[in-house]
Amino acid sequence: AQSVSQHNHHVILSEAASLELGCNYSYGGTVNLFWYVQYPGQHLQLLLKYFSGDPLVKGIKGFEAEFIKSKFSFNLRKPSVQWSDTAEYFCAVNGGSQGNLIFGKGTKLSVKP
Amino acid sequence: DTGVSQNPRHKITKRGQNVTFRCDPISEHNRLYWYRQTLGQGPEFLTYFQNEAQLEKSRLLSDRFSAERPKGSFSTLEIQRTEQGDSAMYLCASAGRGSPANYGYTFGSGTRLTVV
Repeated sequence: AQSVSQHNHHVILSEAASLELGCNYSYGGTVNLFWYVQYPGQHLQLLLKYFSGDPLVKGIKGFEAEFIKSKFSFNLRKPSVQWSDTAEYFCAVNGGSQGNLIFGKGTKLSVKP
Repeated sequence: DTGVSQNPRHKITKRGQNVTFRCDPISEHNRLYWYRQTLGQGPEFLTYFQNEAQLEKSRLLSDRFSAERPKGSFSTLEIQRTEQGDSAMYLCASAGRGSPANYGYTFGSGTRLTVV
């Protein structure tokens, strides 16, 4: 069965620290990978997605992610976090037959000012 | 606002009551998905519509759950005889024609259900 694993449940960083959130997936077919962010009280917003081509994907707000097929990974990175990045981050794979997303459990990021 | 709209935002109901939620997708989107998100979990897929046809239902969607999308526009999700375990955030997402991976999904803000 398809699944997505996010290694960190809660990450606490100080402003300007670098961020890397892990995501591994289990899926046998061609994958499309996504990172979504959910700010407190708001809806899920797309940060970035990988469809094909360059495995290093740049998204909004300075985030990027690297698709490593051999490791079944799609880790999210940001060189310098800001207090406003405090949110929950979800990795997802488009693995369903009808295009539905399979999400990881999420990683809560808290950035201290 | 041209995003995905969900109503109500919050619903508190007594165990055993029926509840209905509504989702208004982006008007030109023909694909509509319902997800459920419980505390500490990511969203879990419930069901999918392409236009008015319900093409897939997750095993999470028990007999007490039913969803409709008449005329391929808005969708409703009804839960009958609610149980405390139904307490969750119910999310709706829509996507346009073509591959959602290309064109993306847009999520609504969700309906938070509390069963007391």
